[in-house]
Amino acid sequence: TQLLEQSPQFLSIQEGENLTVYCNSSSVFSSLQWYRQEPGEGPVLLVTVVTGGEVKKLKRLTFQFGDARKDSSLHITAAQPGDTGLYLCAGAKWSGGSNYKLTFGKGTLLTVNP
Amino acid sequence: DAGVTQSPTHLIKTRGQQVTLRCSPKSGHDTVSWYQQALGQGPQFIFQYYEEEERQRGNFPDRFSGHQFPNYSSELNVNALLLGDSALYLCASSLELTSGQQETQYFGPGTRLLVL
Repeated sequence: TQLLEQSPQFLSIQEGENLTVYCNSSSVFSSLQWYRQEPGEGPVLLVTVVTGGEVKKLKRLTFQFGDARKDSSLHITAAQPGDTGLYLCAGAKWSGGSNYKLTFGKGTLLTVNP
Repeated sequence: DAGVTQSPTHLIKTRGQQVTLRCSPKSGHDTVSWYQQALGQGPQFIFQYYEEEERQRGNFPDRFSGHQFPNYSSELNVNALLLGDSALYLCASSLELTSGQQETQYFGPGTRLLVL
């Protein structure tokens, strides 16, 4: 069962365009993390959002956590070829004490063409 | 400050064999989690180790086992390999806070396992 649905699955755009990637779930998460992964590498953490409605900005990247803490979006302004990669969202749940698990979506493969 | 390291980087095995993958956590981290990432998929949680014990486990068979050492490094063992075990195996480390929660997990580069 895929608890986190990411869309779109694939995205190919031209340099300078804007884009939004979505991460949706029917479950409530304690926090949600966004990662970027390049081929043959491990995921690199971009941001963690914790509070419902929270908006975080990282240069040209804007992350938003839904009010109900079930969904999130990543918006990239003026995309550059260096933004190319697999963008993964991951929801964290604490189920008492130190029980903590990350559930990942399948990812959005972004290609930014020069 | 050393990040998460994994070895080997690549590995080729045949069906039925056994494999051991290794992970050294980020300096100062005490919790290690293992993930399996099949081609075109997001990582799937295998299990997590803290204080040398398996604390949580995902939906993986008993062929997948692990160990954590006193220096917090960890091993993932897979017995009776199947073709479907071919994947990128990722290790992530984090720090258990005094509140019982954890700081963010940081991932290693992974071990690419191919089962023929």
